[in-house]
Amino acid sequence: GQSLEQPSEVTAVEGAIVQINCTYQTSGFYGLSWYQQHDGGAPTFLSYNALDGLEETGRFSSFLSRSDSYGYLLLQELQMKDSASYFCAVRGTDSWGKLQFGAGTQVVVTP
Amino acid sequence: DTAVSQTPKYLVTQMGNDKSIKCEQNLGHDTMYWYKQDSKKFLKIMFSYNNKELIINETVPNRFSPKSPDKAHLNLHINSLELGDSAVYFCASSQQGQGGNTIYFGEGSWLTVV
Repeated sequence: GQSLEQPSEVTAVEGAIVQINCTYQTSGFYGLSWYQQHDGGAPTFLSYNALDGLEETGRFSSFLSRSDSYGYLLLQELQMKDSASYFCAVRGTDSWGKLQFGAGTQVVVTP
Repeated sequence: DTAVSQTPKYLVTQMGNDKSIKCEQNLGHDTMYWYKQDSKKFLKIMFSYNNKELIINETVPNRFSPKSPDKAHLNLHINSLELGDSAVYFCASSQQGQGGNTIYFGEGSWLTVV
């Protein structure tokens, strides 16, 4: 089976940097994804890490350490519109690579 | 153009009723999913179809029956609705296999059972 842990909530001010950690336990592993979901909206894809290291996409970066079963999402230069829930997700090595989501981290950005 | 569209967006119904949610994707993807998101925002996969064939069937009550008439459509029918079925149901799609690292979600169908 698979399990993922991430903090339930993080609060930060505009312009700050936030790091959302995700630790996972899985019997097989292809990669770690991150999704963003605004209240009332659909989850949308942010990033995917299959290999160790840092992937940067604009203000957002994602990191993976396979040996530590750990990853994080880094949000830089926080903006009010970044207030949302952020989910890490693991794609396992079962026959169809089922994607399992963490419980989500609510990021609250304050002025 | 809406990539993954599902209807209805909002549904309020009484216990015991039967309801359906329809989903269509125009991305040309082979794989479609139904996810359930509860009040605590936990996203849980229910079903997955690949080219009209059921490939993932999580522990879901038999009252839930998916149907995929073709690879662009995946509908969800729910019989004898219960209060606990109240949730947001997301349809989603992706490319088949390991090319499917990105899942595209529909806007969700908010089901309230009263």
